[in-house]
Amino acid sequence: AQSVTQPDIHITVSEGASLELRCNYSYGATPYLFWYVQSPGQGLQLLLKYFSGDTLVQGIKGFEAEFKRSQSSFNLRKPSVHWSDAAEYFCAVVLGSSNTGKLIFGQGTTLQVKP
Amino acid sequence: NAGVTQTPKFRVLKTGQSMTLLCAQDMNHEYMYWYRQDPGMGLRLIHYSVGEGTTAKGEVPDGYNVSRLKKQNFLLGLESAAPSQTSVYFCASSGQRVRYEQYFGPGTRLTVT
Repeated sequence: AQSVTQPDIHITVSEGASLELRCNYSYGATPYLFWYVQSPGQGLQLLLKYFSGDTLVQGIKGFEAEFKRSQSSFNLRKPSVHWSDAAEYFCAVVLGSSNTGKLIFGQGTTLQVKP
Repeated sequence: NAGVTQTPKFRVLKTGQSMTLLCAQDMNHEYMYWYRQDPGMGLRLIHYSVGEGTTAKGEVPDGYNVSRLKKQNFLLGLESAAPSQTSVYFCASSGQRVRYEQYFGPGTRLTVT
């Protein structure tokens, strides 16, 4: 069965430092992959998505992610973190060959930014 | 546009009580979803709908019912609330052309005592 794993439950970085959030998936074929961000008390907002093509995808708010098939990973990166990036981040994958848009989410990674 | 809205934002129920959560979207989306979010478990799909008048079970459907009588609305019902249903509930919608790009509502925090 498809699954998504985010190995880091909580990460703390200093403002201005670089960031990498890890995501690993389990899926036989080429997956559709997503990163969402959830600010405190808010719903989820799509940061970026990968369907096919260039394995390095750019998203909103200066985030990027790289799809690595050999490692079954889709890690999220940002070169310089801002205090406003403190939030919870979710990696997600489309469920199977679904034509219903169903997603499976990872457990989430909470990002804390130190001043 | 308001996007996806959810009513109510907060609710406290006693065990055995019933309630309905309302989700509304103004983007003319075909697909709608209900998720629950629990600490350390991410979001889990409860039920979903691929169009007006159709619903289907997701990952954790037990104890919930849904209806989609109008395209813009998706209702989630709890007939007999249990403490295990204490959670934050999110509704989402997506269009047919970009059905994997889901737009989320702000959530409903439900506590069952």
